[in-house]
Amino acid sequence: AQKITQTQPGMFVQEKEAVTLDCTYDTSDPSYGLFWYKQPSSGEMIFLIYQGSYDQQNATEGRYSLNFQKARKSANLVISASQLGDSAMYFCAMREGRSSGGSQGNLIFGKGTKLSVKP
Amino acid sequence: DAGVIQSPRHEVTEMGQEVTLRCKPISGHDYLFWYRQTMMRGLELLIYFNNNVPIDDSGMPEDRFSAKMPNASFSTLKIQPSEPRDSAVYFCASSPWQLNGYTFGSGTRLTVV
Repeated sequence: AQKITQTQPGMFVQEKEAVTLDCTYDTSDPSYGLFWYKQPSSGEMIFLIYQGSYDQQNATEGRYSLNFQKARKSANLVISASQLGDSAMYFCAMREGRSSGGSQGNLIFGKGTKLSVKP
Repeated sequence: DAGVIQSPRHEVTEMGQEVTLRCKPISGHDYLFWYRQTMMRGLELLIYFNNNVPIDDSGMPEDRFSAKMPNASFSTLKIQPSEPRDSAVYFCASSPWQLNGYTFGSGTRLTVV
């Protein structure tokens, strides 16, 4: 079973509108971390936002917010007021804890969502 | 902070040649990771180190791949001999001990012809 699922291969959004990128995860570990990264066409991986499994509030970083719904195991990224420069691939990733039996430090990535912002 | 520094940015080599990729992590970070990105397989972990010690190398494809971290500020990933199927973008990343922020380098785009 996939650990990280991003069901939207591609999305379009109008400039200045908000957009939500979906991410669901699968783990039995009570301690884990969730991350979102942006990869523009230039190829670098840019860290956007982090949410710990024990964090009480949803993470926010500027125009980025993470809609964390623990019971649903979802960690959707919300980008407000989209800009042309937001056009990129977006990856959701998870880091499990020790009790997962896996590699604690490993970031497991989804397949990504390609976001295109239209002027 | 200069971030994670990788070299070279691009590497084109002939099949059978040895390739060495280099990485300088962020000072003070305890963890260092090597990832590979391909269209077919996406981003996958090759190996990671904690305090210079290899912790998990289960993602290393085969004996042709080896990685070292001789000190806290330098790591190498070596492929010998290289094959066309090794063509990919190789990322190095580092993280503090809390594992709450992984910073990636710019990547090395490797082409084996």
